[in-house]
Amino acid sequence: QQPVQSPQAVILREGEDAVINCSSSKALYSVHWYRQKHGEAPVFLMILLKGGEQKGHEKISASFNEKKQQSSLYLTASQLSYSGTYFCGTETVDRDDKIIFGKGTRLHILP
Amino acid sequence: ETGVTQSPTHLIKTRGQQVTLRCSSQSGHNTVSWYQQALGQGPQFIFQYYREEENGRGNFPPRFSGLQFPNYSSELNVNALELDDSALYLCASSGTASHNEQFFGPGTRLTVL
Repeated sequence: QQPVQSPQAVILREGEDAVINCSSSKALYSVHWYRQKHGEAPVFLMILLKGGEQKGHEKISASFNEKKQQSSLYLTASQLSYSGTYFCGTETVDRDDKIIFGKGTRLHILP
Repeated sequence: ETGVTQSPTHLIKTRGQQVTLRCSSQSGHNTVSWYQQALGQGPQFIFQYYREEENGRGNFPPRFSGLQFPNYSSELNVNALELDDSALYLCASSGTASHNEQFFGPGTRLTVL
């Protein structure tokens, strides 16, 4: 039931773009994206809901393919502050109110 | 508006002991979820409390238990500690529905020796 994230790790130079993917074997109601810096709590970035509603961050975009149970997070013109580990969390359509997180994607931005 | 707070920040226990971790939810939030995060892993869902009732549980044994109080703060209790219980324990508060964003506290780092 745990979503699968890819890639596991990415190294970019400042200004480059990145895409982080999240896929589930279950039918999804929502996908949540968080960023966690070392030694800190996860910070909310984005929620994507079945039906197309999105709530989130002004500089980060994401997509949710309901048919494929996949979501992608798009980081454009990356900044040094984007470094951290990105987690997707998924909630299934049975609405059991559990958010299950993937193992994370480590992103490192070089100057 | 105060954020989510957790106490203590760090804790060292020995195998077999019991521990209680505390979480104060963000103002206006009535739902608290607890997660265990091992080093290098994503947060693993332990359970969720909504209006003082358990509202979902992950794959954790019964020695992991919790409470939510009328002010929506919450406790996580772990009995008979095992070495594998060493982890960062995060609580997150949210509004009524899980499709609201969750606000995480800073976590409690538990080390079991």
